[in-house]
Amino acid sequence: QQQVKQSPQSLIVQKGGISIINCAYENTAFDYFPWYQQFPGKGPALLIAIRPDVSEKKEGRFTISFNKSAKQFSLHIMDSQPGDSATYFCAGSDDMRFGAGTRLTVKP
Amino acid sequence: DAGITQSPRHKVTETGTPVTLRCHQTENHRYMYWYRQDPGHGLRLIHYSYGVKDTDKGEVSDGYSVSRSKTEDFLLTLESATSSQTSVYFCAISESPGRSGYTFGSGTRLTVV
Repeated sequence: QQQVKQSPQSLIVQKGGISIINCAYENTAFDYFPWYQQFPGKGPALLIAIRPDVSEKKEGRFTISFNKSAKQFSLHIMDSQPGDSATYFCAGSDDMRFGAGTRLTVKP
Repeated sequence: DAGITQSPRHKVTETGTPVTLRCHQTENHRYMYWYRQDPGHGLRLIHYSYGVKDTDKGEVSDGYSVSRSKTEDFLLTLESATSSQTSVYFCAISESPGRSGYTFGSGTRLTVV
């Protein structure tokens, strides 16, 4: 049973554009929603996370938007740069499972 | 990655041989995990530990065993390696998974020939 469903599988964005990756969850007991970033040949790294008591969290060019009623949260990357090209994973609380991943390519 | 190291980084082994991968942490975190990552399958949990000598199976545990005799070390053993176990293996640690997420190691690329 997949607890988090991530979309799209892949995304191509022009430099300077906005990248949006979505994650839907099923377990309403989740209270911690992280996004991880993975570069080729490296392990995933925690990028940004949100708790359900707020609807949005921003760290630099990265923003998480959280919609509790829809059981969805999304990662927005503003002013996307080629250096943001990576695979992104969402997760739910301490579930130990991750979304299937989104491969982001930012074209110069 | 700071506080967590995996060894070896690369290994080629023959089918049927035993293989042990090591994860070492200096963060004194309670929770440790082993994942494998394959194209098209994302990250899949093999085994995890919630304390010394306390381990449990993940979703793809068949053919793997683990041991944790010290807080800092979590070993993954392939008793008899098969070609289907060719993968990249990641160790992760967490102090409180539901509050601080996971810290991953740099991975071990294992090839079974």
